[in-house]
Amino acid sequence: GAGVSQSPSNKVTEKGKDVELRCDPISGHTALYWYRQSLGQGLEFLIYFQGNSAPDKSGLPSDRFSAERTGGSVSTLTIQRTQQEDSAVYLCASSLTGGSGANVLTFGAGSRLTVL
Amino acid sequence: AQRVTQPEKLLSVFKGAPVELKCNYSYSGSPELFWYVQYSRQRLQLLLRHISRESIKGFTADLNKGETSFHLKKPFAQEEDSAMYYCALNGGSSNTGKLIFGQGTTLQVKP
Repeated sequence: GAGVSQSPSNKVTEKGKDVELRCDPISGHTALYWYRQSLGQGLEFLIYFQGNSAPDKSGLPSDRFSAERTGGSVSTLTIQRTQQEDSAVYLCASSLTGGSGANVLTFGAGSRLTVL
Repeated sequence: AQRVTQPEKLLSVFKGAPVELKCNYSYSGSPELFWYVQYSRQRLQLLLRHISRESIKGFTADLNKGETSFHLKKPFAQEEDSAMYYCALNGGSSNTGKLIFGQGTTLQVKP
């Protein structure tokens, strides 16, 4: 696609429910990243994919968070048993690997999660 | 530990005034540094990267390894520069994009 697409753009859920956030990266971008943007907290790295594998999961805040990527394309971030502190904007980004485009991230519009 | 610090949450200047958004980093290797910008109701996007040594929208940033800084500067601020600015450090190997971001600085340019 022309850009990084994320869905849903807005999600309101009740505490304890599971949520899935989806990211469709730019075609041809092999690297995909998830970040969390909270008020006053800046941008927090969650997880990074190279192809379908995740060499760096160091940022996932707890075992309630998981992510997968299939076919080297779409990724899903799943949050189980949501808590109020999970409320944030979840940003997905993608990039090329290698060459001058490496490490230049193109971001999606984000998924705003509100846990009541 | 790799870390990016942006000491100012908010920087407010008048149109035409010089702007300097501060960024300091800690990193044991050769850093790759970036500035990203998020305008109101728009997506986060790359502004510039230190290896390109270019000026974008009148902004420049010089890597100072001695002071471990990568401050963003513009000699004459414009109202359209009002946005949230994030400094970022490449914390992975040279070909991964695990960027570590600072907390961001909101730049407000008043008319």
